[in-house]
Amino acid sequence: GAVVSQHPSWVICKSGTSVKIECRSLDFQATTMFWYRQFPKQSLMLMATSNEGSKATYEQGVEKDKFLINHASLTLSTLTVTSAHPEDSSFYICSVNTGGTEKLFFGSGTQLSVL
Amino acid sequence: DAKTTQPTSMDCAEGRAANLPCNHSTISGNEYVYWYRQIHSQGPQYIIHGLKNNETNEMASLIITEDRKSSTLILPHATLRDTAVYYCIVRVAGSGYALNFGKGTSLLVTP
Repeated sequence: GAVVSQHPSWVICKSGTSVKIECRSLDFQATTMFWYRQFPKQSLMLMATSNEGSKATYEQGVEKDKFLINHASLTLSTLTVTSAHPEDSSFYICSVNTGGTEKLFFGSGTQLSVL
Repeated sequence: DAKTTQPTSMDCAEGRAANLPCNHSTISGNEYVYWYRQIHSQGPQYIIHGLKNNETNEMASLIITEDRKSSTLILPHATLRDTAVYYCIVRVAGSGYALNFGKGTSLLVTP
């Protein structure tokens, strides 16, 4: 089945710096990937839909200039948290839409801690 | 997508069957029932999905009522590694849309 690789697993950064998170689809060419955010003891919240070769679609309340998404190839989408602040500390998870299999596969997640 | 209702938490003894209920009374005819689980600090894992027939795979069984307004996920012999948050999600198959996660059921399997 499809395997999703997400890196890094965890990252600690200083406030004001930018952090890039990679999501790779290893077995499937994904035209669409999804990015979620999860705060402690809460459920996953969809942030944006990443579309290969076009602009990402952001959910209401998610700042597109702060959370930059690039989906330049069918196997790689990146999420860059720009000018990170402590309130951006969260668990970020990507997901691959495998189309006809009806199943979404998820990365292992990235724990971001902003000091 | 139709809304689902799940108990906040459940306990199950190791080796016993874990039966996790889900209500989805507003489900539409073309919406499937999906179950995912999330073990602490990991990404969600697909378990099973179905439309109206009962389904079984190597992980679990899915029982959907005849009126499709509720379903039950059954883990036949729960182990400690099944401790996780279980999400019941209703979604149109092949829609290409993301999954919308509710609060799920936190299952604790005890020795």
